[in-house]
Amino acid sequence: DGGITQSPKYLFRKEGQNVTLSCEQNLNHDAMYWYRQDPGQGLRLIYYSQIVNDFQKGDIAEGYSVSREKKESFPLTVTSAQKNPTAFYLCASLRQGRNTEAFFGQGTRLTVV
Amino acid sequence: RKEVEQDPGPFNVPEGATVAFNCTYSNSASQSFFWYRQDCRKEPKLLMSVYSSGNEDGRFTAQLNRASQYISLLIRDSKLSDSATYLCVVIPNTGGFKTIFGAGTRLFVKA
Repeated sequence: DGGITQSPKYLFRKEGQNVTLSCEQNLNHDAMYWYRQDPGQGLRLIYYSQIVNDFQKGDIAEGYSVSREKKESFPLTVTSAQKNPTAFYLCASLRQGRNTEAFFGQGTRLTVV
Repeated sequence: RKEVEQDPGPFNVPEGATVAFNCTYSNSASQSFFWYRQDCRKEPKLLMSVYSSGNEDGRFTAQLNRASQYISLLIRDSKLSDSATYLCVVIPNTGGFKTIFGAGTRLFVKA
């Protein structure tokens, strides 16, 4: 079945550590996105990528980094520079064209301990 | 001004009620519009696309007003299962497919 897989589902991080969240899709979509969602809040765009080896900062990119070495993969690293990383992280890819639609992974809940 | 704005609610309605949400967007060059539904602690899922001519899917009707730069979602005969957060999504025509989500409107349907 085609879809987006995020891992892990739950992640605990100690202060000062970098962690990497995985996002893989087998939908053959060019565009991929990372969003952050805080309790009771909407989705805020961290980074997005339109094509392999290219990515753009979203609205809250500080303290995060990404790579897009393969079409299928768009990992997000939460660095120690991100002062408040506890949140729900969602990865999405976009089917473009006549029936444009964003598809989401199930999300990763990151907690700083 | 935020690129996409929604009334956060919550909207508390009884079963069977009709409820409407609006969403305004600031970029007049916006190209594509959608309503997504998000259940508690889950990922968002597409509810419906919004077309210029308006579109209906069962109890749900979506409309686009380009002149006033807003989209709307109407839910008729509300069910308990409609309780969720409804997210407005806009894709500007900037060539970058920077998909922008509104903060969401929470709906609670009560028995």
